[in-house]
Amino acid sequence: QVQLQESGPGLVRPSQTLSLTCSVSGASISSHSYYWTWIRQPAGKGVEWIGRIHSSGDTTYKTSLKSRVTISLDTSSNHFSLRLTSVTAADTAVYYCAREPVTRINWFDPWGQGTLVTVSS
Amino acid sequence: QSALTQPPSASGSPGQSVTISCTGTSGDVGGYNYVSWYQQHAGTAPKLMIYEVSQRPSGVPDRFSGSKSGNTASLTVSGLQAEDEAEYFCSSYAGSDNYVFGSGTKVTVL
Repeated sequence: QVQLQESGPGLVRPSQTLSLTCSVSGASISSHSYYWTWIRQPAGKGVEWIGRIHSSGDTTYKTSLKSRVTISLDTSSNHFSLRLTSVTAADTAVYYCAREPVTRINWFDPWGQGTLVTVSS
Repeated sequence: QSALTQPPSASGSPGQSVTISCTGTSGDVGGYNYVSWYQQHAGTAPKLMIYEVSQRPSGVPDRFSGSKSGNTASLTVSGLQAEDEAEYFCSSYAGSDNYVFGSGTKVTVL
């Protein structure tokens, strides 16, 4: 059974960098069959796709976030990470990681439980 | 403001059916047959229930069905059960490796 688990600081100061890790068990992030994705949901608002990475290292980011986002892989630890720079209160959200098969479009499964990140001074 | 519009709530009695709508544009829901639906119980991870408008992943009961007409997709839960009480949100491919989501619909089993 594939499981994903997000971890990282729950509080980030404005203008600082948000860093989260998604630990994967039951599957290898080195697999060429999947993308590894970050998604977020601000309180009371809709879910927002942030971006994804493939085991080849290829990344794709949401256009509006591209200048601030970096997603990377750590195959030795079987986890992938999200960095979001210059955060503001608008980046406060529950952040999820998820897996998407390369043979499917808009097919995110499984997801992690999510981790709340608050941007506040 | 979400890219896809869903009603905030829906309800039905056990055994009844409930249908949730998800309205987008010709650039997302109307333009691609890549609409998905997710179920999320409070405090748990979202679960994929429907993909490619009407396909069910293995293990999802056939009480869950999806459809699309124009720019609006729909999820129908037939034979409502207590365990179906959850938040449901839709998602659509929007071209150029972009995905959009709805804000979710809280389904209550009366």
